[in-house]
Amino acid sequence: QQQVKQSPQSLIVQKGGIPIINCAYENTAFDYFPWYQQFPGKGPALLIAIRPDVSEKKEGRFTISFNKSAKQFSLHIMDSQPGDSATYFCAARSIRNSGYALNFGKGTSLLVTP
Amino acid sequence: GAGVSQSPSNKVTEKGKDVELRCDPISGHTALYWYRQSLGQGLEFLIYFQGNSAPDKSGLPSDRFSAERTGGSVSTLTIQRTQQEDSAVYLCASSSLLAGGTDTQYFGPGTRLTVL
Repeated sequence: QQQVKQSPQSLIVQKGGIPIINCAYENTAFDYFPWYQQFPGKGPALLIAIRPDVSEKKEGRFTISFNKSAKQFSLHIMDSQPGDSATYFCAARSIRNSGYALNFGKGTSLLVTP
Repeated sequence: GAGVSQSPSNKVTEKGKDVELRCDPISGHTALYWYRQSLGQGLEFLIYFQGNSAPDKSGLPSDRFSAERTGGSVSTLTIQRTQQEDSAVYLCASSSLLAGGTDTQYFGPGTRLTVL
């Protein structure tokens, strides 16, 4: 079954807007939460990742917010640009229970209009 | 340096045929993963190799799927007696495992498999 639930499925924002993509999980053993960005015809590439001992991590225009008690985490893209148009995947992993394999959400297709 | 490479980039086959998909990981990476990406379904874990340890095959959907990794480097995913539901993009990733388990998985561009 899908261990990581991602929403929305698709998102359209104007340039400069702040798209927010949400993910939720049930397995409290998850201890690593990366976000991947995928452009058409390419493999996913790591964007940013967080461990559950912090509530927020920022790298450039990308921020992860993490709510351990709610078992939710989200990606915010500040000052979004047309070049950010891509599919975004959240993922989670528990080394203890499932080794290093990532459990992915179903993805969010983001379109940033000029 | 070179990233993860996969071949072929596209493969069209007939139902019932066997196919082999190849992955060349980043040099020096000890961990190698195969995932399957179906339309609208995200990425699904298939199998994981780490060094000389026995592979984690827990994600393989049926016994028609198998994979091997030779010499700790190149890996081949084999699908026997392909079915139409096997049509997907097959992605390979490699990583250099770090203490604490926050290794970055680097993905190849994938092989798009179409079963007619």
